[in-house]
Amino acid sequence: ETGVTQSPTHLIKTRGQQVTLRCSSQSGHNTVSWYQQALGQGPQFIFQYYREEENGRGNFPPRFSGLQFPNYSSELNVNALELDDSALYLCASSLDKGARGANVLTFGAGSRLTVL
Amino acid sequence: AQTVTQSQPEMSVQEAETVTLSCTYDTSESDYYLFWYKQPPSRQMILVIRQEAYKQQNATENRFSVNFQKAAKSFSLKISDSQLGDAAMYFCAYRSNFGNEKLTFGTGTRLTIIP
Repeated sequence: ETGVTQSPTHLIKTRGQQVTLRCSSQSGHNTVSWYQQALGQGPQFIFQYYREEENGRGNFPPRFSGLQFPNYSSELNVNALELDDSALYLCASSLDKGARGANVLTFGAGSRLTVL
Repeated sequence: AQTVTQSQPEMSVQEAETVTLSCTYDTSESDYYLFWYKQPPSRQMILVIRQEAYKQQNATENRFSVNFQKAAKSFSLKISDSQLGDAAMYFCAYRSNFGNEKLTFGTGTRLTIIP
């Protein structure tokens, strides 16, 4: 059983550029969530995708967008990068929630984005 | 909106001793889950333990146990027989049982194990 894999592991961009981060879900998982973790902080929820549809969004501007593909892999796109976008971006996958499920999120190791 | 507070930015413990990490949360909901995640330098979040709010019995996973006080909205993590491999950032997290699977995290506690 493979876990969650993210790419790239590190990248550097300049202000105003655009970035795409990728995530492969754990085998059998159909739900993907993205989190932003600034240095010294806890992760903040960006959005979740379930069966290729956005299923909840945190307090992030529209320049943060995402996609989920039929194989349940996912992308996070950030346009018009700002210095404050520098952070670790974590992807997590899970099975869809049952009636009283507490599906455990399986996290990847993240993509470290630095905006100069 | 739910909030999670971890008031101990750093903690340290001697190897083989016991340490307790604190977490409080605020919610108006009655049906939710609480989690403790560990984040080692490898950056990957690893689930340590989880607690369903409807269950009065405190969760236990080997050396890890929680003290869940629902009325006080408190959810502390006790690590017994601390090991060097326990050194990491520990995050407390809340998840509603309604809607999507959004986790609300605290700011974390850095745990150092002293050999």
